[in-house]
Amino acid sequence: GQSLEQPSEVTAVEGAIVQINCTYQTSGFYGLSWYQQHDGGAPTFLSYNALDGLEETGRFSSFLSRSDSYGYLLLQELQMKDSASYFCAVGGGSSASKIIFGSGTRLSIRP
Amino acid sequence: SQTIHQWPATLVQPVGSPLSLECTVEGTSNPNLYWYRQAAGRGLQLLFYSVGIGQISSEVPQNLSASRPQDRQFILSSKKLLLSDSGFYLCAWTRRGGNEQFFGPGTRLTVL
Repeated sequence: GQSLEQPSEVTAVEGAIVQINCTYQTSGFYGLSWYQQHDGGAPTFLSYNALDGLEETGRFSSFLSRSDSYGYLLLQELQMKDSASYFCAVGGGSSASKIIFGSGTRLSIRP
Repeated sequence: SQTIHQWPATLVQPVGSPLSLECTVEGTSNPNLYWYRQAAGRGLQLLFYSVGIGQISSEVPQNLSASRPQDRQFILSSKKLLLSDSGFYLCAWTRRGGNEQFFGPGTRLTVL
């Protein structure tokens, strides 16, 4: 089976940097994605890592270590609008249609 | 450009009543389609996914079913709703071989 673990809540200060970790167990691995979801809304895609290393997209970066079954999302220069839930997900790409999500991390940002 | 539609946005149904939620995608062909359910403050639970017309993979045994009668149409159904079926139902699609999921606006279902 597949399972993902991430912290349930994280609190940070506006302008700071925060890291949200995700560990996973899968029978096969086909990539780690990150999504953002604001209260009452639908998730939106942030990033995808198929290979080890860091992917940077503006203020957000995502890291993957396949040997450790571990990844993280790094958010820099935090803004109040970044307050949301963040989900890691495994699957997708050319080899796997099934996409499974973690339970989500609620990020609260203080002024 | 591609868009995904879900309806209705909200639904209140009595226990034991049937359910039909519809999802359609525009602007793409041969998408992979997904149904997720999200309980309040919780993660997304994968219910069904489909890689083609009539091809449905079920992830969680329960009183729900899914059908894909057309390439860009995905329907979630139940013959008799349970209280535990309440939640936020999200439809999503990816390009064949793609990794980015695009989500619809969701249907908030309350079973009373």
